Amino acid sequence: QVHLVESGGGVVQPGRSLRLSCAASGFTLSRHGMHWVRQAPGKGLEWVAVTWYDGSNKYYADSVKGRFTVSRDNSKNTLYLQMDSLRVEDTAVYYCVREVKYPGYFDLWGRGTLVTVSS
Amino acid sequence: DMQMTQSPSSLSASVGDRVTITCRASQVIGNSLAWYQQKPGEVPNLLIYAASTLQSGVPSRFSGSGSGTDFTLTISSLQPEDVATYYCQKYNSSPWTFGQGTKVEV
Repeated sequence: QVHLVESGGGVVQPGRSLRLSCAASGFTLSRHGMHWVRQAPGKGLEWVAVTWYDGSNKYYADSVKGRFTVSRDNSKNTLYLQMDSLRVEDTAVYYCVREVKYPGYFDLWGRGTLVTVSS
Repeated sequence: DMQMTQSPSSLSASVGDRVTITCRASQVIGNSLAWYQQKPGEVPNLLIYAASTLQSGVPSRFSGSGSGTDFTLTISSLQPEDVATYYCQKYNSSPWTFGQGTKVEV
């Protein structure tokens, strides 16, 4: 079975940091670009970041640029999202998503992990 | 900034109706357009890619068309299980922008 499983979400105060992880199973992570997509409560989908299959290139949404860092460890089949200087507006479910091929659409989504930024 | 604009934002239709959702890109994107379905409480699911190619396992009542800047998702005969929010997405380059979503009710 092919799966993506996110972890690391929780409640955090504004200005603090959090690191999300995404464990891939059933496929070879190193063959795919990987993305993070978020969805605020009751809102639509917002693309957050991408890392190329080998980690050589990374792109970010303007809303998180300079605060979030995407990385990957292909030897561990794991994707990460380091989130610093968190804001209330970063509250959302964060999905780990697989890209078919660059530049490509998304064919596999994790169940998501909820991040709540609140004082 | 690149924008994807969907219309309508929501619609209500009857079982068996033909439903059409449009998506307009603020820049030319060729056919690099995907549609996703998100049922209440569930994870988004890929329906269509390359503007008109049906993902494996998706019912044939779903179809997509368009290229350049204007795209359409059509449900030929709406079913109760199609209640969901539908999102278009451009993927020709960064950012991978989504439309704001169209909520479909029966």
